[in-house]
Amino acid sequence: DAMVIQNPRYQVTQFGKPVTLSCSQTLNHNVMYWYQQKSSQAPKLLFHYYDKDFNNEADTPDNFQSRRPNTSFCFLDIRSPGLGDTAMYLCATSRGEGDSPTDTQYFGPGTRLTVL
Amino acid sequence: EDQVTQSPEALRLQEGESSSLNCSYTVSGLRGLFWYRQDPGKGPEFLFTLYSAGEEKEKERLKATLTKKESFLHITAPKPEDSATYLCAIPQLKLSFGAGTTVTVRA
Repeated sequence: DAMVIQNPRYQVTQFGKPVTLSCSQTLNHNVMYWYQQKSSQAPKLLFHYYDKDFNNEADTPDNFQSRRPNTSFCFLDIRSPGLGDTAMYLCATSRGEGDSPTDTQYFGPGTRLTVL
Repeated sequence: EDQVTQSPEALRLQEGESSSLNCSYTVSGLRGLFWYRQDPGKGPEFLFTLYSAGEEKEKERLKATLTKKESFLHITAPKPEDSATYLCAIPQLKLSFGAGTTVTVRA
């Protein structure tokens, strides 16, 4: 089945120790998104790639970066995690045909990150 | 500023007790409204897209409706497996989510 896969599902890291989260998709979608979702809150968009074009949200901390080496994979790098970065990180994809924000987004299962 | 507000925050239902969740929005030129279901510790699962006032979509025990100012998600005769957080979202410059309604259905 076509899907969005995230690895690892759970990640524990030390304060300040860099961490990388992975997302892959078999949907062949043009757009890949990264969201942060804290407990009992709405998902918050960090950035997205439209094909190779990177789009950063204005309020995304510089500590968060992303790479998309090919259509299928996208990575979230947190350079120096702080305690406040403990959250669920969600990857999503959409076709990207036409008006991007109105595309249906399909989410992966998420990576629960804990910073100690 | 565009806003999406969901109510109630939490809803506890007895199995078979139908109810509705509300998603109200303030946007200029709505281009669609999405409903997602999110189980604990998992990513949101797409349910419906509604594009214009008067539109309705159904899936099993769920029915979503849309007016010019709000959307309702009706749950008819819910079962325990319908327990989840239901998120609505509007696509503007980006997809803006409401905080969700957590539904608990007791057997």
